[in-house]
Amino acid sequence: DTEVTQTPKHLVMGMTNKKSLKCEQHMGHRAMYWYKQKAKKPPELMFVYSYEKLSINESVPSRFSPECPNSSLLNLHLHALQPEDSALYLCASSQVSSGRGIGTDTQYFGPGTRLTVL
Amino acid sequence: AQTVTQSQPEMSVQEAETVTLSCTYDTSESNYYLFWYKQPPSRQMILVIRQEAYKQQNATENRFSVNFQKAAKSFSLKISDSQLGDTAMYFCAFIPYSGTYKYIFGTGTRLKVLA
Repeated sequence: DTEVTQTPKHLVMGMTNKKSLKCEQHMGHRAMYWYKQKAKKPPELMFVYSYEKLSINESVPSRFSPECPNSSLLNLHLHALQPEDSALYLCASSQVSSGRGIGTDTQYFGPGTRLTVL
Repeated sequence: AQTVTQSQPEMSVQEAETVTLSCTYDTSESNYYLFWYKQPPSRQMILVIRQEAYKQQNATENRFSVNFQKAAKSFSLKISDSQLGDTAMYFCAFIPYSGTYKYIFGTGTRLKVLA
């Protein structure tokens, strides 16, 4: 089973709201990722978790706050977003291959959350 | 700098025909993975095919196959017997073994399969 699930599918929020995106995988993967994707562009990496610890933050603004409560779950907490943050947010997971860097194995993506900030 | 180039922003193909999407990359690494991902209008990024650089044999998955030319740093995707469900954005991606965590994506090729 190569399934990564994400909820909600769509989210509309105002600039003062607080909301969260959720991602779940049951493949035993120990690396999980958040990406942001604008229309007709490739995904842009935001965060990487390895063994439930934040490994990489690609200089993402603090209004995005990731959390990895356990090895299967990844959350992205949103607060005080701007209209330019409207995008598709993708979650992915992968094995962590010994002897190689994090993320150097195949990443499996979820269906994404379409976020609109008004 | 490592880069991935997809020189065809858009392509179309008749149903049941064959189409080839091109991808070139630039790296000084010797060990790496290459991927083709498909993203249909439903949005999910779906792995189409994967190639490890040390393997000389070209990867195949049913109607999808690659032509991997390591010396030329070329990794094209051939889709045989195209189906309407193949309509999607296709991204080529690269990642070295050497400790970076980040896929290097190409800009994508939008493929439309015509009935």
